[in-house]
Amino acid sequence: AQSVTQPDIHITVSEGASLELRCNYSYGATPYLFWYVQSPGQGLQLLLKYFSGDTLVQGIKGFEAEFKRSQSSFNLRKPSVHWSDAAEYFCAVSLTGKLIFGQGTTLQVKP
Amino acid sequence: DTAVSQTPKYLVTQMGNDKSIKCEQNLGHDTMYWYKQDSKKFLKIMFSYNNKELIINETVPNRFSPKSPDKAHLNLHINSLELGDSAVYFCASSQDDKTQYFGPGTRLLVL
Repeated sequence: AQSVTQPDIHITVSEGASLELRCNYSYGATPYLFWYVQSPGQGLQLLLKYFSGDTLVQGIKGFEAEFKRSQSSFNLRKPSVHWSDAAEYFCAVSLTGKLIFGQGTTLQVKP
Repeated sequence: DTAVSQTPKYLVTQMGNDKSIKCEQNLGHDTMYWYKQDSKKFLKIMFSYNNKELIINETVPNRFSPKSPDKAHLNLHINSLELGDSAVYFCASSQDDKTQYFGPGTRLLVL
């Protein structure tokens, strides 16, 4: 069955440090891939997406993600984390019109 | 001029009651969705409608009945509420089954 795995349930980084959140998917073809962010008590905001083409995609708030077909991965990165980046991050794949989400990664930012 | 809006934002009710959640999108999209986020923050699709027609109906109790009066609105009616229905319900919309944009969520608490 198709699935999305975010191996890290919780990550803590210091403000200003770099960040990488991992995402792996299990799907026969290359699906549409997304990262969403959910701040406490808020809705889901789209950070970036990959449909095809350049495997390094840029998103909002200084985030980027790289699609690696050989590893079935779509990891999210940011070179320098800000305290306001503390939130829940969800990787998702689009399958026949519905989004399949990973379990989410909680990002905590230390001052 | 919120793109996807939901009402109410919070809903506290007694077990056995019937309640509705409303969703409206002003993006001109043709597809709308309902997702449920449980207490462990796991997100799962419930329904999707395309131009007022039900497209996706996941394994959801028939106490949940979506209704789409027009393609800009998708409401969710829940009969005989149970404790396990407590969750955050997100509405989303998309054009051509690609990028989905989410509303702020409705936090339902059943007592």
